[in-house]
Amino acid sequence: AQSVTQLDSQVPVFEEAPVELRCNYSSSVSVYLFWYVQYPNQGLQLLLKYLSGSTLVESINGFEAEFNKSQTSFHLRKPSVHISDTAEYFCAVSVIQGGKLIFGQGTELSVKP
Amino acid sequence: EAGVTQFPSHSVIEKGQTVTLRCDPISGHDNLYWYRRVMGKEIKFLLHFVKESKQDESGMPNNRFLAERTGGTYSTLKVQPAELEDSGVYFCASSQLLGGYNEQFFGPGTRLTVL
Repeated sequence: AQSVTQLDSQVPVFEEAPVELRCNYSSSVSVYLFWYVQYPNQGLQLLLKYLSGSTLVESINGFEAEFNKSQTSFHLRKPSVHISDTAEYFCAVSVIQGGKLIFGQGTELSVKP
Repeated sequence: EAGVTQFPSHSVIEKGQTVTLRCDPISGHDNLYWYRRVMGKEIKFLLHFVKESKQDESGMPNNRFLAERTGGTYSTLKVQPAELEDSGVYFCASSQLLGGYNEQFFGPGTRLTVL
């Protein structure tokens, strides 16, 4: 069975500061890795994904995540956050393409001016 | 193009009553998924339809939950009778059925409160 752990339930940061949201997973087989974001009063949106190839993946709004197989991690980083990044972020894995997603508990990112 | 829609957005019912949640996937998406988030916990998978067939229902908590997708279009999730622990946000997602990776697009969720 697979599991995902997001180590921080809440992360408060000031605008323009760097941020890292941590995600570790457990699986006996290879997995695909995802970060989803849920803005207030909206559904989940895919932020970025790792399927294969380069272990560093980037989103269009400046987030990046690096797949580290030896540490079974997929931490999400942004060098300078904006107020608009305030949202809840979910790390997820799946073992087959098109299969179910297994989510972590979520991390609430709160960006303050 | 319309996204995944869910109805109702909120539902408040008494313990023992029945509630039916509806999900309309993106047109042309053969994969449809139901997930649930109980307060303060992770989002958990409930089941997966491919067209009208149940591909994986390993996450359904018990036989009080019944999911259908007649005709392979919209889906309903019925809870009968509802219990207090069924409270939470129910998400629906859909994706295409093509080779390789297909992104799951999520609806806004239905918040269910059982009193």
